[in-house]
Amino acid sequence: TQLLEQSPQFLSIQEGENLTVYCNSSSVFSSLQWYRQEPGEGPVLLVTVVTGGEVKKLKRLTFQFGDARKDSSLHITAAQPGDTGLYLCAGKINAGNMLTFGGGTRLMVKP
Amino acid sequence: NAGVTQTPKFQVLKTGQSMTLQCAQDMNHNSMYWYRQDPGMGLRLIYYSASEGTTDKGEVPNGYNVSRLNKREFSLRLESAAPSQTSVYFCASTEAVPWEGLRRTQYFGPGTRLLVL
Repeated sequence: TQLLEQSPQFLSIQEGENLTVYCNSSSVFSSLQWYRQEPGEGPVLLVTVVTGGEVKKLKRLTFQFGDARKDSSLHITAAQPGDTGLYLCAGKINAGNMLTFGGGTRLMVKP
Repeated sequence: NAGVTQTPKFQVLKTGQSMTLQCAQDMNHNSMYWYRQDPGMGLRLIYYSASEGTTDKGEVPNGYNVSRLNKREFSLRLESAAPSQTSVYFCASTEAVPWEGLRRTQYFGPGTRLLVL
């Protein structure tokens, strides 16, 4: 069982649709990051959230950190083919020195 | 500025062979990491180096060794490769040390795809 569970694992939608992906845990995280990874490349950081209840917006992407700092969501408005990729959440537990990644959500946006 | 570079890009090994994966960063970062990525598993930390001269085990260190050669370079060695080590390996670096939390960006290399037969 992974410390960070992401859902759904796969998502295929049409251009223009909205979507939300989730990152859940039973552990409390001091901070959490979202990455996007394209085929053949390493992950690229999208955002870091550190405060419970925090909401950050990056153009059409909205990121929310749960009040209890155990979960997070990523909402994409009017998805575009360029949003296609693997979305990974990663968190740091308070007392730990390691970054823990979720299994990822693979998103495909069809034209 | 090349960022984080990794060599080789692809490698096929036979069970029992050894090899070293190389990683270098030109951003003067303190901390460097080695991850492996398997389908549906996200990235799992193998080893990390918080600063030059120090290394620590991550989540899945068995079967691997690392060397922080200098501030720029962090290598990962497989002494006796096993099929279970077939994976994509990513090196990453960040300016911050791990206990500073995630307030700094981790920069990833393009990965090394390893197949162990």
